[in-house]
Amino acid sequence: AQSVTQLDSQVPVFEEAPVELRCNYSSSVSVYLFWYVQYPNQGLQLLLKYLSGSTLVESINGFEAEFNKSQTSFHLRKPSVHISDTAEYFCAVTRSSNTGKLIFGQGTTLQVKP
Amino acid sequence: GAVVSQHPSRVICKSGTSVKIECRSLDFQATTMFWYRQFPKKSLMLMATSNEGSKATYEQGVEKDKFLINHASLTLSTLTVTSAHPEDSSFYICSARDSRGRNEKLFFGSGTQLSVL
Repeated sequence: AQSVTQLDSQVPVFEEAPVELRCNYSSSVSVYLFWYVQYPNQGLQLLLKYLSGSTLVESINGFEAEFNKSQTSFHLRKPSVHISDTAEYFCAVTRSSNTGKLIFGQGTTLQVKP
Repeated sequence: GAVVSQHPSRVICKSGTSVKIECRSLDFQATTMFWYRQFPKKSLMLMATSNEGSKATYEQGVEKDKFLINHASLTLSTLTVTSAHPEDSSFYICSARDSRGRNEKLFFGSGTQLSVL
């Protein structure tokens, strides 16, 4: 069985500071990894995903995550955050890239302060 | 882009009543939808997979008689919480799988906060 742990429930940072949201997973089989973002009063949106290939994946709004198999991690980073990045971030895993049977972490609330 | 609409966003009901939550895919057909539940400060937990035209597949530990799922059309799945009790109070969220194109995509609704008094 797979599981996902997001180590930080809340991460407060100041605007333009760098941020890292941590995600660790456990699985006995190969997995696919995702980061979802949920802005207030909206549904979850896919931020980025790792399926195969390069272990560093990027989103269009400046976030990136690196798949580290040896450390079973998929931490999310951004070098300079904006107020608009304030949201709930969920890390998720699945055994197959074509399934909605995602296993989610507990979520991390990113609070960007001016 | 594709959108999934979930309704209602918030519902308060009395213990013993039933509550229906709707999940609609607005501009694509979704043969498969998923229902999740989230407790405060906890992960989203998959409850069931809803398949159009057939019975839903429930995850272990989820009472299918308690959480009735109907996927009668390619754009609508409903979750009915029957005889709701305070312990059913939670955040419920649906997702719909868009299988168009090479890569499948998953779109989520905005969730329903259920409070049972």
